[in-house]
Amino acid sequence: AQKVTQAQTEISVVEKEDVTLDCVYETRDTTYYLFWYKQPPSGELVFLIRRNSFDEQNEISGRYSWNFQKSTSSFNFTITASQVVDSAVYFCALSEVNDYKLSFGAGTTVTVRA
Amino acid sequence: DAEITQSPRHKITETGRQVTLACHQTWNHNNMFWYRQDLGHGLRLIHYSYGVQDTNKGEVSDGYSVSRSNTEDLPLTLESAASSQTSVYFCASSESRDSTEAFFGQGTRLTVV
Repeated sequence: AQKVTQAQTEISVVEKEDVTLDCVYETRDTTYYLFWYKQPPSGELVFLIRRNSFDEQNEISGRYSWNFQKSTSSFNFTITASQVVDSAVYFCALSEVNDYKLSFGAGTTVTVRA
Repeated sequence: DAEITQSPRHKITETGRQVTLACHQTWNHNNMFWYRQDLGHGLRLIHYSYGVQDTNKGEVSDGYSVSRSNTEDLPLTLESAASSQTSVYFCASSESRDSTEAFFGQGTRLTVV
């Protein structure tokens, strides 16, 4: 069975600081998919990024970047130059091949102070 | 625009009552899911469906049931509401394609008193 662990419960930063969110996962599949979702104070869940297990290239998209390391089963997410609007709960999630349901971590609450 | 909607958004019910939460999507997705969100647990899967007439139990299915009679709807029923079922419930849908993201409804806050 798959499992996703987000060890950081809360992170508080001052605006313009970088924030890195940790995610560690367990799965027996060799092919799987990793996601990050954002839940702002309004409560909806917003998809941010996805990564396939067979593609370890790290990417940057605007102020977001992610570091996928299969060797350590980690999928960390960084927000560069944080803004107050980045304040939210961030969830890491995993799905396995041919199995579309998501397993979520417990979430990390990010507070960005002006 | 395609969307996924949940109703009601807020519900207060009494212990022992049967409650049904509605979920309707216009994405024409085969996959639909129900999750509950509780502090410290993230989102946990209750039930899911990969097509009409298909339903499956998730990790926290006790006390809940679903039925899938068409593509658009997956209602979630609490057979006899308990205080432990006080939570925020999210419905989601996705395509039957690996790596696809799920689209979530706005959530239903259920309080059982």
